Amino acid sequence: AQSVTQPDIHITVSEGASLELRCNYSYGATPYLFWYVQSPGQGLQLLLKYFSGDTLVQGIKGFEAEFKRSQSSFNLRKPSVHWSDAAEYFCAVAYGQNFVFGPGTRLSVLP
Amino acid sequence: EAGVVQSPRYKIIEKKQPVAFWCNPISGHNTLYWYRQNLGQGPELLIRYENEEAVDDSQLPKDRFSAERLKGVDSTLKIQPAELGDSAVYLCASAGETQYFGPGTRLLVL
Repeated sequence: AQSVTQPDIHITVSEGASLELRCNYSYGATPYLFWYVQSPGQGLQLLLKYFSGDTLVQGIKGFEAEFKRSQSSFNLRKPSVHWSDAAEYFCAVAYGQNFVFGPGTRLSVLP
Repeated sequence: EAGVVQSPRYKIIEKKQPVAFWCNPISGHNTLYWYRQNLGQGPELLIRYENEEAVDDSQLPKDRFSAERLKGVDSTLKIQPAELGDSAVYLCASAGETQYFGPGTRLLVL
């Protein structure tokens, strides 16, 4: 069965520091991969997606993610974190029109 | 372009009472999803519609939950009767090539 793991439940970084959030998936075929962000009391907002082609994808708010087939990973990165990036981040894999979400990583940002 | 609209945003009810949530998807999106999100967890699919047809409802607790999508546009999710464990955020999403979420309905069952 398809699954998504996000090994880090909670990450704390200082403002201006770099960030990497990990995501691993289990899926037999070529996956469609997504990162969403959720601020408190809000729905999920799409940050970026990977369908095919270049394995490094750029998203909104300065985020990027790299697909590594050999490691079944799709890690999210940002070179310099802003206080407004504090939120919950979800990785998801899609097969057809079915989406499976990871448990999320909560990001805290220190001033 | 308007996003996915959900109402109400918040609902507090007593257990055993009925409750309904409404969703209006993005125009032109044929696929509509209802998810439940428990505190500290990712969304879990309840039901997926393709137009007016429910194509995946395997995770929907059918003894108390029901959903409909008349005319393949708006959708309603109902719980009757609600239980304490139903307290969660209920998210609606719609998809063309990509899935977009509404703000959710936060349900508290007392």
